[in-house]
Amino acid sequence: KAGVTQTPRYLIKTRGQQVTLSCSPISGHRSVSWYQQTPGQGLQFLFEYFSETQRNKGNFPGRFSGRQFSNSRSEMNVSTLELGDSALYLCASKGAGGRGEQYFGPGTRLTVT
Amino acid sequence: GESVGLHLPTLSVQEGDNSIINCAYSNSASDYFIWYKQESGKGPQFIIDIRSNMDKRQGQRVTVLLNKTVKHLSLQIAATQPGDSAVYFCAENNYGGSQGNLIFGKGTKLSVKP
Repeated sequence: KAGVTQTPRYLIKTRGQQVTLSCSPISGHRSVSWYQQTPGQGLQFLFEYFSETQRNKGNFPGRFSGRQFSNSRSEMNVSTLELGDSALYLCASKGAGGRGEQYFGPGTRLTVT
Repeated sequence: GESVGLHLPTLSVQEGDNSIINCAYSNSASDYFIWYKQESGKGPQFIIDIRSNMDKRQGQRVTVLLNKTVKHLSLQIAATQPGDSAVYFCAENNYGGSQGNLIFGKGTKLSVKP
């Protein structure tokens, strides 16, 4: 079974631009969560989508948004990019049935200049 | 590696020794805990999990211990190998793991000397 895939793997953007990142979960997984990883703040939860609905949300500004499609693929969008948005963005998928472990993709490295 | 913090606690062990990585969690309502391993340039990899109704769980070469009284979690790795070198994160959740909002600790860098 294929793992979680994320595209693109690397991205360079300029302040003020917007960016869209994509995540394809493991086949059959309906939950997709997004995390931001930085050296200073570590791994921080952004939001979780389940069956096309946002189920949980972390403490990030409204510039960070996401969505999930009927095939469980998810995208996250960051508008009006700031230098501090430079980070590794990770998505993770989770199966159903009460099993808690999430499986992470390799991440998208976003650099804002 | 590019995905680790600049000032992570570091644990250095000799190959073949046992490793113990500790984690203090924050929310007394958390009822599901999970350990991840992250190698440089990769996403976190699931190691083992435990629910709050247990205080110990064993996997292959790994054991997780949970002390709810002091909100402490530990990961024991037996016969540590060079391939175990990575950053290790604990994470907690207060939905029994049924929902995806994990709260991560800061991480510990494990360095294995051959």
